[in-house]
Amino acid sequence: EVQLVESGGGLVKPGGSLRLSCAASGFTFSSYSMNWVRQAPGKGLEWVSSISSSSSYIYYADSVKGRFTISRDNAKNSLYLQMNSLRAEDTAVYYCARSSCFSCYGEYWGQGTLVIVSS
Amino acid sequence: QSVLTQPPSVSAAPGQKVTISCSGSSSNIGNNYVAWYQQLPGTAPKLLIYDNNKRPSGIPDRFSGSKSGTSATLGITGLQTGDEADYYCGTWDSSLSAYVFGTGTKVTVL
Repeated sequence: EVQLVESGGGLVKPGGSLRLSCAASGFTFSSYSMNWVRQAPGKGLEWVSSISSSSSYIYYADSVKGRFTISRDNAKNSLYLQMNSLRAEDTAVYYCARSSCFSCYGEYWGQGTLVIVSS
Repeated sequence: QSVLTQPPSVSAAPGQKVTISCSGSSSNIGNNYVAWYQQLPGTAPKLLIYDNNKRPSGIPDRFSGSKSGTSATLGITGLQTGDEADYYCGTWDSSLSAYVFGTGTKVTVL
């Protein structure tokens, strides 16, 4: 069974940093592209970033470019999102999602982790 | 501001059919596959349709997808109370080099 479990969310002050993790199990992690998608309270889905299976290809949404860094450790079956210079508008539930190909649909999703940026 | 436009809400009685439109452009829907996601209240999104019209294992055939030009449509037949959720279309935008989601549609079963 495919499982994706996000962690690392919490309350952080504007300008602060946070590192999210996504632990994957039930599939060969190194064979799949991975993504981060967020959802602000009461709002729609917003794609954040994607990384290919070998980390050769990485894309970011303009809203986080230069502040967020996606990475993965295939040996640890883990996906990460380093978030720096956080803003109030980054407050959201952050989901990790697996894709069968780079730049395509999210076929499995984690349950999400909540990030609140507030003073 | 999403580049994919969906109606904010649709509704119908149990057993009836609803359709949800997703309008885009040649840089996204027009030249890339479309997926549809269902988000039940308080839960993570779930893939309903991929590659315009394919259903993942376990998704009932009451759910269908189609694409024509720069628009896509999700259809739900035999509407059930358990179908009350938010539905999002999504696709890659080649100009933005970004995955884009629709604005979302809330389905209400009357």
